[in-house]
Order: sequence, then structure tokens, then C-alpha cells
Amino acid sequence: KNEVEQSPQNLTAQEGEFITINCSYSVGISALHWLQQHPGGGIVSLFMLSSGKKKHGRLIATINIQEKHSSLHITASHPRDSAVYICAVSSSSGSARQLTFGSGTQLTVLP
Amino acid sequence: EAGVTQFPSHSVIEKGQTVTLRCDPISGHDNLYWYRRVMGKEIKFLLHFVKESKQDESGMPNNRFLAERTGGTYSTLKVQPAELEDSGVYFCASSPGVAPGGTQYFGPGTRLTVL
Repeated sequence: KNEVEQSPQNLTAQEGEFITINCSYSVGISALHWLQQHPGGGIVSLFMLSSGKKKHGRLIATINIQEKHSSLHITASHPRDSAVYICAVSSSSGSARQLTFGSGTQLTVLP
Repeated sequence: EAGVTQFPSHSVIEKGQTVTLRCDPISGHDNLYWYRRVMGKEIKFLLHFVKESKQDESGMPNNRFLAERTGGTYSTLKVQPAELEDSGVYFCASSPGVAPGGTQYFGPGTRLTVL
């Protein structure tokens, strides 16, 4: 079992819909990251959070440390939001700085 | 400011050949990471440099993989000899600072296909 689990694996939505992607982790973390990867493109960091909630435009990320759970929300989704969304965590143990990744959620937003 | 760059973007080689991937991190970033995504799997950590020193290479799959970061600037990842299971996308990332958990900036990746 992976230390970082994402759901759903695939998600298709109509333009304008509210979207939620979930991430659960089983290790102690110093931070949780949400990343975005467009087809054929590199990986872009969307959020890094260790508590509470962050908002950037139509994207909102929340984290519940006690429940070891995070969600990424997209409001008023648009076809350009179609991408793979990846949850990753930085361990809190020792000096570990590498990221442990979830398997990603393929989001397709239809016009 | 230039982002993380990787070269080549694609490489197709035959089993048994050698391939060298290059990563140029963002200038001034002491931390450099190599990650790999094989088909259908999640991205996995390979190793972490702090400047020119290997901080953690626990993710390197075997001794066919050799990473270097001479002078603490760009890094190379050599696979010799390549095997079929080495196919995948190799990502490099860099980050500044010393605190764990900081934002990492990713390169576009190198897609390696071993035939």
C-alpha cells in the first residue's frame, strides 16, 4: 500500500462543475504538495501546505493534519484545467526532503 | 529567471546501451532531486543532492544508475547498461534553502525508452 493515496484515479466533469480530488497519507509530514502536470508538459507546483487552507484563483487546497487528509477543489472548472493532479508529501522524519507521490488523478473537463 | 531544464527531452536506446540524462537546476538552488515515473506507476524518488554531495540515494534502483553533480551546479544521471524496465520519465527538481518540505521546482522530464 502506497504511503500516499489519491482518489479518484480518473475524473470527468462538465465545464463549470465543482471538482474535488482527495489525498490521504499514512506518514508524518512536514508539508503536503499539490502538483499539476499537463499532457506532454512538466510538473508545476500548485500548493504547499502544512495546515489549514490555501486559495489561488479558482483552486483551493485544504489539509486536516489529524485525519491525514487533504483535498484539492476547483471551482467553475474549465477545459484548460484538464491535467493530472498529483498529491505529494514531504516526510517529517529526519532530514528527508524528497517527495513521496500519490498516483495522480487524471482530470478531464469537457466543454 | 530560467526554470529547471532537462536534456534530452526524449531518448530511445537499445537494451545494453548507455544513456546520460542532464539536469540544470535553477541557479542558486542547493537542492537537486531526481525522480522517475515508470509506466502506470506513481513518481518515485531516486536521489537528492545538496550542492555536490549526495544527501540521500536510497531510491536508486541498482548500481547501473550513477548520478553526479560536479561543482554543485548541473547534474547527470547515467544508466549503464540500460534495461527494459528503466523505461519511463525521469524528472529533475530543485529547491533552495535548508528546511525540509520546501517547494520543489520541476523540469519538463526526459522520456527514456529502452527497446
